[in-house]
Amino acid sequence: DGGITQSPKYLFRKEGQNVTLSCEQNLNHDAMYWYRQDPGQGLRLIYYSQIVNDFQKGDIAEGYSVSREKKESFPLTVTSAQKNPTAFYLCASNDRWGDEQFFGPGTRLTVL
Amino acid sequence: AQTVTQSQPEMSVQEAETVTLSCTYDTSESNYYLFWYKQPPSRQMILVIRQEAYKQQNATENRFSVNFQKAAKSFSLKISDSQLGDTAMYFCAVNAGNNRKLIWGLGTSLGVNP
Repeated sequence: DGGITQSPKYLFRKEGQNVTLSCEQNLNHDAMYWYRQDPGQGLRLIYYSQIVNDFQKGDIAEGYSVSREKKESFPLTVTSAQKNPTAFYLCASNDRWGDEQFFGPGTRLTVL
Repeated sequence: AQTVTQSQPEMSVQEAETVTLSCTYDTSESNYYLFWYKQPPSRQMILVIRQEAYKQQNATENRFSVNFQKAAKSFSLKISDSQLGDTAMYFCAVNAGNNRKLIWGLGTSLGVNP
């Protein structure tokens, strides 16, 4: 079955630690996206990548970093510079502009 | 700047009845795409319906249909014969201009009562 996987489902981190969230897709999509979701704030774009080895900052990129070394993978690192990292993180992908974005099941990150 | 406004933070409907969720947007682009996504308690985002702005015909998907008023920049979602499984957050989004970014509304929480 084609789709997007995110791991882990729940992640706990101590303050001051970096943590990497995984996102893998087997839909052969060119574009991939990372969103952050907080209560009452909808979805906010962190980073997106339109092609391998290229990515752009979204609206809230500070404290986050990404890489796109393979078409199917787009990992997100939450660094210690992110002031309030506790949130629900969603990864998505699509092929062409205007196409539906397909979403993974999400990762809930909690900073202890 | 592009914006999407969902003016109803919460709504409720009785099972089997019809409910309409409102969405207005603002863009200066002539070509764009509009979406309604559903996020049930599992938090898995699922596409409900997609509308291409240059198509005048309103999109429909089974019990879900839209009322697309391009001049008014309005894109409301109608759910007919509401079912308990329709209980979810519903997000309106627009993809405009020559970029990949979706602009999202803040969502409407819909509860379907038995």
